[in-house]
Amino acid sequence: AQTVTQSQPEMSVQEAETVTLSCTYDTSESNYYLFWYKQPPSRQMILVIRQEAYKQQNATENRFSVNFQKAAKSFSLKISDSQLGDTAMYFCAFMNWRNTPLVFGKGTRLSVIA
Amino acid sequence: DGGITQSPKYLFRKEGQNVTLSCEQNLNHDAMYWYRQDPGQGLRLIYYSQIVNDFQKGDIAEGYSVSREKKESFPLTVTSAQKNPTAFYLCASQGVSYLYNEQFFGPGTRLTVL
Repeated sequence: AQTVTQSQPEMSVQEAETVTLSCTYDTSESNYYLFWYKQPPSRQMILVIRQEAYKQQNATENRFSVNFQKAAKSFSLKISDSQLGDTAMYFCAFMNWRNTPLVFGKGTRLSVIA
Repeated sequence: DGGITQSPKYLFRKEGQNVTLSCEQNLNHDAMYWYRQDPGQGLRLIYYSQIVNDFQKGDIAEGYSVSREKKESFPLTVTSAQKNPTAFYLCASQGVSYLYNEQFFGPGTRLTVL
């Protein structure tokens, strides 16, 4: 069974600074997808970024980028120019190529400080 | 507007009662999911359905039941057999495609046992 580990329960960052959230996973699959979801205080889950394992290029979405290290089974999220609206829980999630249900990490609570 | 709706937003249950949480989607998605969220636990899968009239147990199915009679609807019943039902419940849906497999989430239902 796949597992996802987020080793940082809580983090904080100054506004306009850069922060990196860590995620590691365990799988025997070679084809899969990785996701970062954001859950702000409203509790609505929002997809931040997605990475296909067969792609070597790291995904980017505006201020959000990932560092995908397939051999190390690592999938970190970098948030540049942090904004107060980035304050949220961030969940790393895994899905194998058969589109089976997402497996989530326990989350990292990020606080952006003015 | 396309999306996922969950009702009610807040639900209170007396011990020994069954309650049903509603989840409806108009995204024409084949797959639907129920997750439970507890503090510090991330999201855990209760049940999922990839096609009408078929569903599978997730990691924590005990004390819960579902039905999938229509593509648009996937209600979750929390039975009296669920010993600790107080939690936040999230419903999600997904199109079954290898090209685009984002899960879209509803706004959630907060269930409290009195």
